[in-house]
Amino acid sequence: SQELEQSPQSLIVQEGKNLTINCTSSKTLYGLYWYKQKYGEGLIFLMMLQKGGEEKSHEKITAKLDEKKQQSSLHITASQPSHAGIYLCGADISGTASKLTFGTGTRLQVTL
Amino acid sequence: GAVVSQHPSWVICKSGTSVKIECRSLDFQATTMFWYRQFPKQSLMLMATSNEGSKATYEQGVEKDKFLINHASLTLSTLTVTSAHPEDSSFYICSARDPEKQGTQPQHFGDGTRLSIL
Repeated sequence: SQELEQSPQSLIVQEGKNLTINCTSSKTLYGLYWYKQKYGEGLIFLMMLQKGGEEKSHEKITAKLDEKKQQSSLHITASQPSHAGIYLCGADISGTASKLTFGTGTRLQVTL
Repeated sequence: GAVVSQHPSWVICKSGTSVKIECRSLDFQATTMFWYRQFPKQSLMLMATSNEGSKATYEQGVEKDKFLINHASLTLSTLTVTSAHPEDSSFYICSARDPEKQGTQPQHFGDGTRLSIL
């Protein structure tokens, strides 16, 4: 089974709408990273969360890590076409601050 | 700007050919780099951890003789897909993190290499 589950797998929203993507693990997430990927391209770093209850925002994107450090959410406010892409959560679940395990990914489309 | 450079970005070659992909850290010395593989519409799968000056650590199920990794310098890791076949066609991405900023900085990713074997 996947160690990091993302939901939903895909999402189509109308421009201007809000949306939330979730990333869940049965293990403790020692470091949680959100990335965005355009198909066939590299990963763009969005945010990093390390402490339970931590919340960070950048422009219209907010990411949170729950107190138990097993679930994270990514919230986009007033979505725009530029937000379209694949969102991936990656986490250090070994506690060694080295390799990352990635979630299943969420494909976001924003319609006009 | 990019801190990890990956080259080439796209390769098309005949079955049986060996293909080398380079991953360079531009702003820091990376003692460790990571190689991932991504299938269409799927997530990233870690293939191996590249260690400078020593053997790479491969994930379970990854063939060491098929995917040769060399990390001869602190700024360069290479992945060679030996005797490539159509099933090796995929998107390969490398990443690295500045060891001096470990724990406070994320891994930086290259732009990926799309490998197509005919």
